[in-house]
Amino acid sequence: DVKVTQSSRYLVKRTGEKVFLECVQDMDHENMFWYRQDPGLGLRLIYFSYDVKMKEKGDIPEGYSVSREKKERFSLILESASTNQTSMYLCASRRMGQANEQYFGPGTRLTVT
Amino acid sequence: AQSVTQPDIHITVSEGASLELRCNYSYGATPYLFWYVQSPGQGLQLLLKYFSGDTLVQGIKGFEAEFKRSQSSFNLRKPSVHWSDAAEYFCAVGASTGRRALTFGSGTRLQVQP
Repeated sequence: DVKVTQSSRYLVKRTGEKVFLECVQDMDHENMFWYRQDPGLGLRLIYFSYDVKMKEKGDIPEGYSVSREKKERFSLILESASTNQTSMYLCASRRMGQANEQYFGPGTRLTVT
Repeated sequence: AQSVTQPDIHITVSEGASLELRCNYSYGATPYLFWYVQSPGQGLQLLLKYFSGDTLVQGIKGFEAEFKRSQSSFNLRKPSVHWSDAAEYFCAVGASTGRRALTFGSGTRLQVQP
């Protein structure tokens, strides 16, 4: 079974803090994704990495950056957290190939106060 | 650019009743189509997917979906709903070329009455 884990289920941070969300997958998948999920908006893509050290901006990259130094790990960074970044963050991975399904982690619910 | 519309935000059905969740997509070529389910506090789990061949696709937990190109639809069905099916359901479309990430609909929340 594919396993995607995220470092925290719940996180509370203050405005202006630098926040790191970590995601690890154990199936040697090339592609990894970060989404944010908000009520009524579904999942929106923040960033996508198609291989180590490779990344592409998604639909809402502003205020976020990412890092992929190792194949199994994909980090999402909020350089200076703001209250409008309070959300559920979901990580996913996929074997290379656009017909392949994505496997999701359990999510991190981030609250910025 | 591809897009997905799930017109029903919230649906309530009685346990044992049939279910149909609607999904309409916009994409110029043949899409890859997925249905995911999210139980409360959980990540998303794949129910089924379509990328070619038979337009009626069987998935896990007794779900099926039918791809109708003429209607740009990929509706999810289940003949008899169980209380454990209460969850949020997301339809997603993937492109055969170009954009490599999925585009998700806004989701349909299913409530099951005893």
